[in-house]
Amino acid sequence: NAGVTQTPKFQVLKTGQSMTLQCAQDMNHEYMSWYRQDPGMGLRLIHYSVGAGITDQGEVPNGYNVSRSTTEDFPLRLLSAAPSQTSVYFCASSQTQLAYEQYFGPGTRLTVT
Amino acid sequence: DAKTTQPNSMESNEEEPVHLPCNHSTISGTDYIHWYRQLPSQGPEYVIHGLTSNVNNRMASLAIAEDRKSSTLILHRATLRDAAVYYCILRDRGRGGGSNYKLTFGKGTLLTVNP
Repeated sequence: NAGVTQTPKFQVLKTGQSMTLQCAQDMNHEYMSWYRQDPGMGLRLIHYSVGAGITDQGEVPNGYNVSRSTTEDFPLRLLSAAPSQTSVYFCASSQTQLAYEQYFGPGTRLTVT
Repeated sequence: DAKTTQPNSMESNEEEPVHLPCNHSTISGTDYIHWYRQLPSQGPEYVIHGLTSNVNNRMASLAIAEDRKSSTLILHRATLRDAAVYYCILRDRGRGGGSNYKLTFGKGTLLTVNP
């Protein structure tokens, strides 16, 4: 199993541009989520999904959209990038929402200038 | 959310045991104690979890105080690969659902392992 994969690894955007961060898992996990990690801070939940077709907001959802059309994929879309969205983004998955162990991807480092 | 308090940093020598403390004095009866670690430039990695009893797995041991207001992650023989930020997280499995089940990461403890 590849586990949780994320692309790209690095990205530089200009203010106002849009882009999609990709996340995929091959473990048939129901639950997937997106976090952002800023310097000196812990991870904060952006959006999550408990299954295909079901998504919900986390604690910092503004400026981001998600969809979950398949079990495997959970892309994160930045609608109009802002410098405040400069961060490292991690995707995670687990068997179910209540599963004890979550698996994290390697992260995408995004810089918005 | 119930809060945890961890030292900002700790240092250890290779092949010695490491005890990483975590205080969680406001823990509720349905809070599970989770530990994750984050190696440099990687995503967080699950280490161990527990509710009331001490737990062991291939990576570490978790010792939970009888009143559950504190816990200790024990690495029995530290290696250079164990150098990471260690996060102690409370996760409430008793209420609501939705984002209540999220993992709330604080700043964690930066563990340095000396050769």
